[in-house]
Amino acid sequence: QKEVEQDPGPLSVPEGAIVSLNCTYSNSAFQYFMWYRQYSRKGPELLMYTYSSGNKEDGRFTAQVDKSSKYISLFIRDSQPSDSATYLCAMSANDMRFGAGTRLTVKP
Amino acid sequence: NAGVMQNPRHLVRRRGQEARLRCSPMKGHSHVYWYRQLPEEGLKFMVYLQKENIIDESGMPKERFSAEFPKEGPSILRIQQVVRGDSAAYFCASSSRQLAYEQYFGPGTRLTVT
Repeated sequence: QKEVEQDPGPLSVPEGAIVSLNCTYSNSAFQYFMWYRQYSRKGPELLMYTYSSGNKEDGRFTAQVDKSSKYISLFIRDSQPSDSATYLCAMSANDMRFGAGTRLTVKP
Repeated sequence: NAGVMQNPRHLVRRRGQEARLRCSPMKGHSHVYWYRQLPEEGLKFMVYLQKENIIDESGMPKERFSAEFPKEGPSILRIQQVVRGDSAAYFCASSSRQLAYEQYFGPGTRLTVT
């Protein structure tokens, strides 16, 4: 079993839809939970990070962490074509572990 | 541009040659991390360095790979005697503190071994 599991998709939604991206993990030592966005042929860009359990909102993006279920989510409201990218979850205790990434396409 | 810089962006090497990948961290950052990304896979941690010190190289293959971050100049990831399986995108990230969660990535170097 991988330490971090993420459905690679691809996921295709119409513009304006709510997008839900998820990851599960097995290491209960993880304390920080991050979401990165990676456009094609570019480096990952840090979107949000959350410490421990709870929710965090930033504009159209909401990150949720449920440590009891070892489950994290990223919600994108009013999705735009410019949101089309690969979204990577990442988790950290002393070092960083990444999910495989979910490829999202938002169609106009 | 105060972001993380990597060069070259694309590198082609024949089997058996050496590959040198360079990373200049963001201004003010003294912590550098190297990752490898294969197609359809996530980022795999390779090594974590501070100036003149290797802090964690647990993700680095034991042979042919080495990394350094000298007092002056960029961090360098060196791959000797490259093989086809080394073909991948190599990303460097930097942070200002010893906090693994707040890392900023460069654009990557795409290595192709022919």
